[in-house]
Order: sequence, then structure tokens, then C-alpha cells
Amino acid sequence: SAVISQKPSRDICQRGTSLTIQCQVDSQVTMMFWYRQQPGQSLTLIATANQGSEATYESGFVIDKFPISRPNLTFSTLTVSNMSPEDSSIYLCSVQGSTGELFFGEGSRLTVL
Amino acid sequence: AQSVTQLDSQVPVFEEAPVELRCNYSSSVSVYLFWYVQYPNQGLQLLLKYLSGSTLVKGINGFEAEFNKSQTSFHLRKPSVHISDTAEYFCAVSLTKYIFGTGTRLKVLA
Repeated sequence: SAVISQKPSRDICQRGTSLTIQCQVDSQVTMMFWYRQQPGQSLTLIATANQGSEATYESGFVIDKFPISRPNLTFSTLTVSNMSPEDSSIYLCSVQGSTGELFFGEGSRLTVL
Repeated sequence: AQSVTQLDSQVPVFEEAPVELRCNYSSSVSVYLFWYVQYPNQGLQLLLKYLSGSTLVKGINGFEAEFNKSQTSFHLRKPSVHISDTAEYFCAVSLTKYIFGTGTRLKVLA
């Protein structure tokens, strides 16, 4: 299993600002995943972060809006840039186990006013 | 392409009663199947998974699920629920990527 810590756990931000979410894993992993969970909805994959290369973004998500860093095998950050109320969501960091299961952080709950 | 359908958005049930949360999937190839639970203000936690072998899978907290290939279903069951089971439950399929269902909110009533 993996233990994942995310910071901040929640935040309230003003429109037009940016917020960086941090994700720390207790073991070295090749890939880290960032998901968005909009209110009352399911999880949508934003991007996959590989150490040493640029993140791979899913359709509908772009690097300018959601820049990702992956400086080492246990840490990643996701920035939500130029925020609008539509960005109000839970952002979840995740890693995959050896038999395909996902382990999640507790999430970062973002409210944009 | 794969897809996951959770037919019930909300399921109210009385404490100690049985519950079934339904999940149907669509895929042209074999996939792995998962159930996750999300308690209030927390991330998702794995309940159980089906990779291969026995079609009846047992998970944590007394939950189990049955893989039915002919009906492309993976329904989650518990014979007797507790108040603490109140949470959101997500079914997911995985091959190269994860596809999550829209979730079922289980509310256990006293």
C-alpha cells in the first residue's frame, strides 16, 4: 500500500489567482495521477505525472491551466491557474499499486469565489 | 472504449438491512473491476477488486461483489449495513486507464 499526503486539505481562493497543491507519497513511484472531482460528480483524470518528463494531459486539460511538477519519485505538485468558480472541486492525487488498485490522498477541496 | 454505469445515484437503507449497489460496465476486452468508497471529507479507499479467478470477491468492512461476465455486471453487496457505511461508492474499470462510475450515495438510516 501507499500513504499519500496532500496539502492544503482545503482552501478558499479569489477568482484570477493560482493555487498549488502538493502531493507526497511514502514510497518511490513511477507515475502519479491527478484527478478532479467536481461537486456531486465522479473522478476525471487531469494528467499523469512521470518523473523526469513532462506530464501527460487528458483531453480537455492543458498545461497552461494545470501545470504539474514532478521533481522526484515521491513528490508532485499541481497548480490551478487563473482560477474561476468553475474550478471549485476536489483535487486528488493518486498512485497505482502492483495489482492495479489506486491509492488516493485525502484530497484538496478548493472553493473559488 | 470502456464505460461504467452506476444505475442508482442514491440508496437509502435502514441499519442492519442488506444492500446492493449496482454497477454495469461495457468493454470489448477483459478488464479489471474495482469498488472504492469515499467517506465524507476523505479521499477514495479501495473496497475490493476483481482481477481474475473466483467471480465472488470479498472486500473490507464485510462487503462483497460478484463479477458476472454474461451480464457485464459487478454489483456490490453487504448483508447487514451499519450507520458507518454511509458514504459514496464508486465502481471503476481499468485496462490501460481507469474509468469511474458516477457514484452511488449510500445513506444508512437509524
